[in-house]
Amino acid sequence: NAGVTQTPKFRILKIGQSMTLQCTQDMNHNYMYWYRQDPGMGLKLIYYSVGAGITDKGEVPNGYNVSRSTTEDFPLRLELAAPSQTSVYFCASSLDTVYGYTFGSGTRLTVV
Amino acid sequence: RKEVEQDPGPFNVPEGATVAFNCTYSNSASQSFFWYRQDCRKEPKLLMSVYSSGNEDGRFTAQLNRASQYISLLIRDSKLSDSATYLCAVRGGSQGNLIFGKGTKLSVKP
Repeated sequence: NAGVTQTPKFRILKIGQSMTLQCTQDMNHNYMYWYRQDPGMGLKLIYYSVGAGITDKGEVPNGYNVSRSTTEDFPLRLELAAPSQTSVYFCASSLDTVYGYTFGSGTRLTVV
Repeated sequence: RKEVEQDPGPFNVPEGATVAFNCTYSNSASQSFFWYRQDCRKEPKLLMSVYSSGNEDGRFTAQLNRASQYISLLIRDSKLSDSATYLCAVRGGSQGNLIFGKGTKLSVKP
């Protein structure tokens, strides 16, 4: 049972480039989330999904897009990367709104 | 008042000490509470849920005080391996999302 898997683990992007952060879970969880974590700033919610085909904005959605075509996958798309998007990105999932989240191991992104 | 607040620390304690962290939350309607542990450069991992009656898991005890709107985590007999950042999480978003505190850093010294 792999849990939540994120790829890549590390990435360096140039300003203006685009990329997709992959997230997949094998626990049949309905709820999935994308967070970013900056030093000293805590976890900020970017986007979340309550099921396949349903997504919604979190606290800091600007510059990002998501899709949820299957229960398992919840990719995060960065368009026109900016230095302010340098961060650690965590994907998480939960069975429903009662349980805590299971996190992936994160993607460390640097935009130069 | 911020939605979820924690003392950032660091808390520097000797092995064997008892240490307690508090976390305050602003939404009185919050229903679910959790403590997570995050090691340096790693993902947060669920340490324990916090139940209304309080709960214990080995050396760890979590308590909820709804009247004062805070949760606490008590660690007894601290080990070197307890060194980490401890995040509290409160379910309070519009869709029931978890809101995380910024974390309290614990360093256990020999």
